[in-house]
Amino acid sequence: EAGVAQSPRYKIIEKRQSVAFWCNPISGHATLYWYQQILGQGPKLLIQFQNNGVVDDSQLPKDRFSAERLKGVDSTLKIQPAKLEDSAVYLCASSLQGAGTNYGYTFGSGTRLTVV
Amino acid sequence: GEDVEQSLFLSVREGDSSVINCTYTDSSSTYLYWYKQEPGAGLQLLTYIFSNMDMKQDQRLTVLLNKKDKHLSLRIADTQTGDSAIYFCAEYTGGFKTIFGAGTRLFVKA
Repeated sequence: EAGVAQSPRYKIIEKRQSVAFWCNPISGHATLYWYQQILGQGPKLLIQFQNNGVVDDSQLPKDRFSAERLKGVDSTLKIQPAKLEDSAVYLCASSLQGAGTNYGYTFGSGTRLTVV
Repeated sequence: GEDVEQSLFLSVREGDSSVINCTYTDSSSTYLYWYKQEPGAGLQLLTYIFSNMDMKQDQRLTVLLNKKDKHLSLRIADTQTGDSAIYFCAEYTGGFKTIFGAGTRLFVKA
């Protein structure tokens, strides 16, 4: 089966600019996650979708970050305006299961964002 | 709060066994995982263990879980240079969140 697709692979922007990332999960996976991975750290959850509904966005900096999954399939994550501390790898992951059962996630290769 | 702790580095010789350790805080975690991340790639699920198990073996990988001490370990037998990567421990908490550790960087010397 095809994996989790993410684009772009790399992005360099200036602070205060906006940027968008795209993710297409594995076909049939109802749950989609966006994680932020800062260099030298583990991934931190930004937002979790179940189909097209938001399950958890408690760690999403909502003043600058937004995400949507309109048709319950692919998703976009946007940052506007970007700050230097947003430099990180943004990982998308998907899973077949919902809450309560979790046999692990399939991750995409990520988008490496550099804010200068 | 919920937290997962791992040592940052481990260096072994090719052919030896590697043991990567992890501690977690949520006693109601139901699943615990090991992921592998190679340079420039996303995380790859290696294995998971359900909290009512104390051991799981999968080819060269052995996972040990000590639920009383909230300690998880990953043993890689006959470690190869291709095993060099960052290994992340993660827990699926009682609040249905997956919390990742900061990762252990494994160096395998030929």
